[in-house]
Amino acid sequence: NAGVMQNPRHLVRRRGQEARLRCSPMKGHSHVYWYRQLPEEGLKFMVYLQKENIIDESGMPKERFSAEFPKEGPSILRIQQVVRGDSAAYFCASSPSYGPEAFFGQGTRLTVV
Amino acid sequence: AQSVSQHNHHVILSEAASLELGCNYSYGGTVNLFWYVQYPGQHLQLLLKYFSGDPLVKGIKGFEAEFIKSKFSFNLRKPSVQWSDTAEYFCAVNAPGGSYIPTFGRGTSLIVHP
Repeated sequence: NAGVMQNPRHLVRRRGQEARLRCSPMKGHSHVYWYRQLPEEGLKFMVYLQKENIIDESGMPKERFSAEFPKEGPSILRIQQVVRGDSAAYFCASSPSYGPEAFFGQGTRLTVV
Repeated sequence: AQSVSQHNHHVILSEAASLELGCNYSYGGTVNLFWYVQYPGQHLQLLLKYFSGDPLVKGIKGFEAEFIKSKFSFNLRKPSVQWSDTAEYFCAVNAPGGSYIPTFGRGTSLIVHP
């Protein structure tokens, strides 16, 4: 049973480009969480999704950021018109339906140059 | 909504020293509690978890944590640290009666000198 898979592991984008981060949850998991990790700030919750539904996006910036978890395929975190401040590690976690424990992927380290 | 406080942001120890990292949470109802470890450049790995039952929880690599409900605390301990324990440690909580979204503390950076 493969763990949570995130790709790419490293992503470099120029300012103004779009970044797409992918997350494939563990088999049988229907809940996905996205977190952003900045140095000295720990993990900040961004968005919580179930298949085809955004359940809680209270941690998402109001502009340029969006997330989806389609019926088929991975969850996607999209950042449009990236700026240097978007440089961070983005982690995805998944859990079974209302399962208490979340399992984390290895993260995508986004660098905006 | 729940929140988590980790009071020690940076800890430096010598090998064989004892470790205790503080974690306090705020939430009025039932909680699940977790400690994760993140080795340099790697993803988060679960060290231990508490859902219910014995408040003294033993995890991997010799770590343990004690849930003290009256103090809203879940401190992480290890009697004798090793150089390989150098990592970032995160306390997290979620609430079965509310939101299952895990909320993390800021993290504690532990450096162990050989």
